Amino acid sequence: EAEVAQSPRYKITEKSQAVAFWCDPISGHATLYWYRQILGQGPELLVQFQDESVVDDSQLPKDRFSAERLKGVDSTLKIQPAELGDSAMYLCASSFLGRQETQYFGPGTRLLVL
Amino acid sequence: DQQVKQNSPSLSVQEGRISILNCDYTNSMFDYFLWYKKYPAEGPTFLISISSIKDKNEDGRFTVFLNKSAKHLSLHIVPSQPGDSAVYFCAAAAVNTGGFKTIFGAGTRLFVKA
Repeated sequence: EAEVAQSPRYKITEKSQAVAFWCDPISGHATLYWYRQILGQGPELLVQFQDESVVDDSQLPKDRFSAERLKGVDSTLKIQPAELGDSAMYLCASSFLGRQETQYFGPGTRLLVL
Repeated sequence: DQQVKQNSPSLSVQEGRISILNCDYTNSMFDYFLWYKKYPAEGPTFLISISSIKDKNEDGRFTVFLNKSAKHLSLHIVPSQPGDSAVYFCAAAAVNTGGFKTIFGAGTRLFVKA
């Protein structure tokens, strides 16, 4: 069964450093999402792509976060500089164009900022 | 402003009995409601959904009920099994320019005791 791939699975960094997360969605899924999940809360949408275009980044802290999906396939989420409050699980999800209400999640990247 | 609320952080049920997980929402414009299940160290996985024009959807042991007048939905698991022990997220999706925007509740941790 096809899965959403994410790497790394775990990342420890010091504040003010740069970090990057990678996501490879299920083949053929045009929509890609990045979520942040803080412990004890549900996933919160950071950015949503339709192919290579951003369709919603209203909750993305644009002063330090950036996301790209240059060829409309895999995607990278970057944080620069990282802050202590960025410690969280970063989840990537994708969905099929005809069933966009259903999302398929990757295993996530757990970030710890020291 | 929490648009999707799961007021019970945890629920404990005996194996074989019914598990009922509840969720409330505030926005009447949502088009779909979904339940996701999450095991430790894994991303959420889609479980069951319901369109806003329906009031019930059933899939095997899982049934979702939607009460639009009360802005309330519930997930029933019958019979409950130890493997159902996980965190369950309620989610609501509304159409946006790129497809759907999904808002998640904080989750309810279900414990099914053998």
